[in-house]
Amino acid sequence: SSELTQDPAVSVALGQTVRITCQGDSLRSYYASWYQQKPGQAPVLVIYGKNNRPSGIPDRFSGSSSGNTASLTITGAQAEDEADYYCNSRDSSGNLWVFGGGTKLTVL
Amino acid sequence: EVQLVESGGGLVQPGGSLRLSCAASGFTFSSYWMHWVRQAPGKGLVWVSRINSDGSSTSYADSVKGRFTISRDNAKNTLYLQMNSLRAEDTAVYYCARGRSRIAEYYFDYWGQGTLVTVSS
Repeated sequence: SSELTQDPAVSVALGQTVRITCQGDSLRSYYASWYQQKPGQAPVLVIYGKNNRPSGIPDRFSGSSSGNTASLTITGAQAEDEADYYCNSRDSSGNLWVFGGGTKLTVL
Repeated sequence: EVQLVESGGGLVQPGGSLRLSCAASGFTFSSYWMHWVRQAPGKGLVWVSRINSDGSSTSYADSVKGRFTISRDNAKNTLYLQMNSLRAEDTAVYYCARGRSRIAEYYFDYWGQGTLVTVSS
């Protein structure tokens, strides 16, 4: 089965821009989706498809993809964006799903 | 309002069994694929299993294949996960999630709050 690789931790100064990346072979065939998870809470979908945000997700969140790498960008990070972020996609077979290991975002 | 509410978690001994349920409301349950995702304490999300809308097709992560069975009752708007031969490494919060798909896209748009399964003697 495929794997998705994320940096374990990233930090950003308040109000600055941060990019969180996710690498994997399956991303050449499928778009990644991105989930935000705060301590003690269920994950929340923040980006899906080419670059789509569910209702209620601020427009400072955006997504992009190139080759085997998907990226989640937060433009003007806020204190409330401090959380764990996970990418996900179907694996190369299309019949299983896989999450990245997660990236802990710290807003300084 | 879409709601997913898991139940059935608890403490079970190694080798034991447990059945989780996920009660769905606020949407046409029978039209959606559904998934189970778990998260061990302090660890990341791990996809466990999925079932298609009418229950005729399922898939499992290698780590649970042959031990876990996903099923659904569309008349009761409920998703299940039967977990047998439980191991300490199955200890986790188990979430149910609704799946959505378009060409080359797949995502989990709604999640339950999770139910904790602890496997310990």
